[in-house]
Amino acid sequence: KAGVTQTPRYLIKTRGQQVTLSCSPISGHRSVSWYQQTPGQGLQFLFEYFSETQRNKGNFPGRFSGRQFSNSRSEMNVSTLELGDSALYLCASSSDGRNQPQHFGDGTRLSIL
Amino acid sequence: AQKITQTQPGMFVQEKEAVTLDCTYDTSDPSYGLFWYKQPSSGEMIFLIYQGSYDQQNATEGRYSLNFQKARKSANLVISASQLGDSAMYFCAMREDTGTASKLTFGTGTRLQVTL
Repeated sequence: KAGVTQTPRYLIKTRGQQVTLSCSPISGHRSVSWYQQTPGQGLQFLFEYFSETQRNKGNFPGRFSGRQFSNSRSEMNVSTLELGDSALYLCASSSDGRNQPQHFGDGTRLSIL
Repeated sequence: AQKITQTQPGMFVQEKEAVTLDCTYDTSDPSYGLFWYKQPSSGEMIFLIYQGSYDQQNATEGRYSLNFQKARKSANLVISASQLGDSAMYFCAMREDTGTASKLTFGTGTRLQVTL
């Protein structure tokens, strides 16, 4: 079974630009979550999508948005990039149910110049 | 609000020895799940082990076991027979079991170095 796939692996942008990151979950998984990891703040939850609906959201500004498609693939968009958005963005998928672990992709490392 | 505390920023262990990584948590929810993940320097997060709040027995997965002490709100990871490949960051995480959400709250992590 293929794991969670995130593209691209690395991205360099400049302040003010926008960026879209992609995540393909494990086949059959309908829940996709996004996390931001930085040295200063650690791992922080961004949002979760399930069956094309956002069902949980972290404390991030509205510049961070996402969506999920009917095939469960998800995209995350960050507009008006700031230097502080430089981070490793991790996507995780899980099957539905209380005891199900989240399985993570390799992440997208975003650098803002 | 949920909180996960990992008090050991870094740990050293000799190859073939056992090591315990500490994790304490705080939640007012009666139903929750506890997870441990391993993050090598390459960045991917690897799921290791899960413990549910209502599980009667401590979870085990190969060389990994979870020492779950509910009254103390601790969920320590025990790695037996350490290997050089175990060198990585280890994160403890908690999820509230509302049944409708999968948000994980992570600790700050422990960097484990396995030495010869």
